[in-house]
Amino acid sequence: GESVGLHLPTLSVQEGDNSIINCAYSNSASDYFIWYKQESGKGPQFIIDIRSNMDKRQGQRVTVLLNKTVKHLSLQIAATQPGDSAVYFCAESNAGNMLTFGGGTRLMVKP
Amino acid sequence: DSGVTQTPKHLITATGQRVTLRCSPRSGDLSVYWYQQSLDQGLQFLIQYYNGEERAKGNILERFSAQQFPDLHSELNLSSLELGDSALYFCASSVGLGIFNEQFFGPGTRLTVL
Repeated sequence: GESVGLHLPTLSVQEGDNSIINCAYSNSASDYFIWYKQESGKGPQFIIDIRSNMDKRQGQRVTVLLNKTVKHLSLQIAATQPGDSAVYFCAESNAGNMLTFGGGTRLMVKP
Repeated sequence: DSGVTQTPKHLITATGQRVTLRCSPRSGDLSVYWYQQSLDQGLQFLIQYYNGEERAKGNILERFSAQQFPDLHSELNLSSLELGDSALYFCASSVGLGIFNEQFFGPGTRLTVL
């Protein structure tokens, strides 16, 4: 398939466990952050976003945490399922129309 | 299926050549973004159009150009191709102009330059 093929850091978890994917961002002026999921052969898909005036936001089985002090973003996936296997990217924006993407983390879910 | 279509799915060409990638946004979306995903640079924003006008520019080379037509489809033109241009090129669309509008990505075009 059309995989990214990068030498990405990989997180391997057991099905049913919780997953935590981390992202460090560089621009302290960034005020909007998004997590994307990219499955093999597909384009990135929006998962959840958070603005800089928040430190936590929850969706369905996912939670994003933002720590502006250390410029760190994390994505928590509860009860990880085989369908969660993909590459996950964080992206940041600084009051503009542009997104800057992180390098990505490959999540592998073991049955 | 995001509703964004891209053609062709695969493209193989030689150095020095010129290619055109096509994107049809979701029905009703006015904004189109182009991204490049390569092995060494990751996913990078190239350019954005909104209702036919260029609105934001990222790391797009001068050899690359894009446009958005009155029917809102967009084309990305890559010329004087080099080996390093081999990558996945994604188009995304959103309803509005700003970054807070969710972007829906197409399946991508894989460009191989030999």
